Amino acid sequence: EPEVTQTPSHQVTQMGQEVILRCVPISNHLYFYWYRQILGQKVEFLVSFYNNEISEKSEIFDDQFSVERPDGSNFTLKIRSTKLEDSAMYFCASSEYRLGGYTFGSGTRLTVV
Amino acid sequence: EDQVTQSPEALRLQEGESSSLNCSYTVSGLRGLFWYRQDPGKGPEFLFTLYSAGEEKEKERLKATLTKKESFLHITAPKPEDSATYLCAVQAVPSSSHAGGTSYGKLTFGQGTILTVHP
Repeated sequence: EPEVTQTPSHQVTQMGQEVILRCVPISNHLYFYWYRQILGQKVEFLVSFYNNEISEKSEIFDDQFSVERPDGSNFTLKIRSTKLEDSAMYFCASSEYRLGGYTFGSGTRLTVV
Repeated sequence: EDQVTQSPEALRLQEGESSSLNCSYTVSGLRGLFWYRQDPGKGPEFLFTLYSAGEEKEKERLKATLTKKESFLHITAPKPEDSATYLCAVQAVPSSSHAGGTSYGKLTFGQGTILTVHP
């Protein structure tokens, strides 16, 4: 069964450093998403991406965050200057259609120290 | 603002002891309600989508139902391998977002119910 692949599975970074989280969505999917889950809290929407541009973003997704689809297969989330409160599981997801359910990756656990 | 509340927060069952999980929601216009299963350290795994009140979906020991205000996930004769966190999420009918664009399928999640099934 097709799956969404995320790398790395765990990343530790120093506060203030830039990190890039990588995702390979399912190949025929057109809509891409990033969500995050702080330990013990709800899964929260960050951003959706379609046709090489951001289609919707949450209040969490401020100027420190950016997304990119650099080569037609990868989908990346960049955090420019990490803060302690950015520590969370980050999930990438993709879907074939604009509305309906989608497939999540296994996540990247980001720890900011 | 869309809201999803799940209850109970945690549920412990004996193997074979059937029960139900609740998901209450408020949304401007419901496009779909989703149930996901999440194992520790993993991403949500899709279970069901429900689109309209009265709809039911079944998969093995799980059955999801939907009313205009809530959804239930019924677990019949659970086994230890059913132990996981069950997440409910809603997707709203497309409308202008706060950013002025058009909603592209954002999911709003509840906090989940942690189910533990003891042998």
